[in-house]
Amino acid sequence: DAGVTQSPTHLIKTRGQHVTLRCSPISGHKSVSWYQQVLGQGPQFIFQYYEKEERGRGNFPDRFSARQFPNYSSELNVNALLLGDSALYLCASSVQGGETQYFGPGTRLLVL
Amino acid sequence: AQTVTQSQPEMSVQEAETVTLSCTYDTSENNYYLFWYKQPPSRQMILVIRQEAYKQQNATENRFSVNFQKAAKSFSLKISDSQLGDTAMYFCAFMNDNAGNMLTFGGGTRLMVKP
Repeated sequence: DAGVTQSPTHLIKTRGQHVTLRCSPISGHKSVSWYQQVLGQGPQFIFQYYEKEERGRGNFPDRFSARQFPNYSSELNVNALLLGDSALYLCASSVQGGETQYFGPGTRLLVL
Repeated sequence: AQTVTQSQPEMSVQEAETVTLSCTYDTSENNYYLFWYKQPPSRQMILVIRQEAYKQQNATENRFSVNFQKAAKSFSLKISDSQLGDTAMYFCAFMNDNAGNMLTFGGGTRLMVKP
């Protein structure tokens, strides 16, 4: 079975631009979570979605938003990019959210 | 809010030897889950092992086992017969049973397995 997939794998943007990251969960999984991992640190929780509804939100500014589609795939949007948004963005899926989360390979975002 | 602390930024072990990575956490909840994830240089986060807080028996997964001490809020990972492929960052993570199901990660321990 295919694991969690994310696109694109790498992305370079400039300050002030907008970016959209995409995630497809494992087949049968209905929950998607997003995490930001700055180099040298552990991942930080951004959002969790289950059945297209936001279930949880971490301590991130309103420039970050997300949504989940009927096929359970998800998008993470970041507006007005800052240099500090440079990070690895990880997507994780789980059956319902309250159990083991399986991670995708991540999208590496560099903001110049 | 929950916090997870990994007090060993870096560790090394000889191939075939045993190593233990430490993790402590802080929570007022009674029902929760604990995880160890491995992140090799590819940066893919890979699940190593999971422990439910209500289970007294320590989880094991082949060469990987945990020592879960609920009263002490300690959750260490033991890797037996270390292999070169075990070289990676290891993250301890906590998940509350009823609060948005977010994972809270520690800062990680970089493990180097030497031949």
